[in-house]
Amino acid sequence: AQSVTQPDIHITVSEGASLELRCNYSYGATPYLFWYVQSPGQGLQLLLKYFSGDTLVQGIKGFEAEFKRSQSSFNLRKPSVHWSDAAEYFCAVGAPGGYNKLIFGAGTRLAVHP
Amino acid sequence: KAGVTQTPRYLIKTRGQQVTLSCSPISGHRSVSWYQQTPGQGLQFLFEYFSETQRNKGNFPGRFSGRQFSNSRSEMNVSTLELGDSALYLCASSPGQDLGGYTFGSGTRLTVV
Repeated sequence: AQSVTQPDIHITVSEGASLELRCNYSYGATPYLFWYVQSPGQGLQLLLKYFSGDTLVQGIKGFEAEFKRSQSSFNLRKPSVHWSDAAEYFCAVGAPGGYNKLIFGAGTRLAVHP
Repeated sequence: KAGVTQTPRYLIKTRGQQVTLSCSPISGHRSVSWYQQTPGQGLQFLFEYFSETQRNKGNFPGRFSGRQFSNSRSEMNVSTLELGDSALYLCASSPGQDLGGYTFGSGTRLTVV
C-alpha cells in the first residue's frame, strides 16, 4: 500500500540554524512528490514538488528538497531558518498520470526559537 | 487570478444535522478534490471530481457525498453529522487529469456539537 512517513512529529530549531525535515515513502514506482506548509487554521501552501528530472528541487521561501530513489526519500532542507518558518510541514505523494489524489504524511510541526 | 475559494470558512452544526460545503476552483480548472483533516487521522482523501464525474473515492462512509457542476464548482455534503466529523475540510483544484497545478483552498472548519 502507498504510504508516507514523516518520522519527526515535532522539531525545534534556533533561528538562523539549518533545517532538515525527513520524508520516506512507499510506492510501486516513482511517484510525484510534494512538500506543503500549513499555518494554524490555514490551508496548504505548496513549497515545492518533484515530478521528474533533476533530483534537487528548489522551492519558495528558500526551501529545497532532494529526491533519493534508492532511499525512497524526499527530505526538505533550508540553510537558515527564520522565525516565520514556524508551521506544520507535510510531505505527500501522488500517482503520475493518475487520479488527482495525494497521500499525506502525518506532518512535522516546526518550532523556531529566537 | 483568484485562487480556490471555499465557503463558508467556519460552520457549527449539531449532531444529526446535515451540512453542505462549497468549493469554487481556479478559473479553467476542471478537477476538484476534497480532503478531511483531523488531529487524529491527519489529511485524508475524500473524493475527486472531473468534468462532473466522480473519478476516485476515499474510504469514508456513504454519509459523505459530493457533486460537481458544469462550471466546475463542487459541493460536498455530510448527512447525519457525528462529533467525529468535526474537521478542517480542504478542497484542491487542478486544470486536468493530473497533479500539475494542484492548488488548495483555505478550507472550511466544521465543528459538530
